[in-house]
Amino acid sequence: GAVVSQHPSRVICKSGTSVKIECRSLDFQATTMFWYRQFPKQSLMLMATSNEGSKATYEQGVEKDKFLINHASLTLSTLTVTSAHPEDSSFYICSARDGAIDGTEAFFGQGTRLTVV
Amino acid sequence: LAKTTQPISMDSYEGQEVNITCSHNNIATNDYITWYQQFPSQGPRFIIQGYKTKVTNEVASLFIPADRKSSTLSLPRVSLSDTAVYYCLVGRFNTNAGKSTFGDGTTLTVKP
Repeated sequence: GAVVSQHPSRVICKSGTSVKIECRSLDFQATTMFWYRQFPKQSLMLMATSNEGSKATYEQGVEKDKFLINHASLTLSTLTVTSAHPEDSSFYICSARDGAIDGTEAFFGQGTRLTVV
Repeated sequence: LAKTTQPISMDSYEGQEVNITCSHNNIATNDYITWYQQFPSQGPRFIIQGYKTKVTNEVASLFIPADRKSSTLSLPRVSLSDTAVYYCLVGRFNTNAGKSTFGDGTTLTVKP
């Protein structure tokens, strides 16, 4: 299957700082990427959907000014958590879909564990 | 978006066949059914996808009845390493309007 790489896998930052998480599709062009957040023992919650070259679409309740998403190329999307606070500590996961294939499955990155201290 | 309902947890023993059923009464005509496996602190891993009838790959089988209001993931001869959370998703990933939503998932525990 297609490979989606997420970096970093773990990050610890101080409260008030910003953190950038990268999501790359390694062997395919991802026209659409999705960002999720997952709290312990809970399911994945979709935060936003991004299409290459356009603004991301955020889910209700997700602050777009706090969670900046950029999808500047067909292989890279970034999520920046701005002015992070301890309550932003979570597991962030991206997924991507191969736009060249007329299929519907998305492939997920390995996730990023963010801890804000 | 079609809502899915799965059992919260299931227990099994090594070597047994495990069947996890997902209900999705509001599935749309162009929705696919996709199952993912997730281990702790890892991203979900694609298992299988189908639209109707039966799909089989090297890992699992997916059974979908004619009305498509439910689906069953079948894992043959599970091992301890199959202990994970299994998610059933309904929808399409290829457009903003067609995104899928993760339900609560089924925590499968395989015992020796």
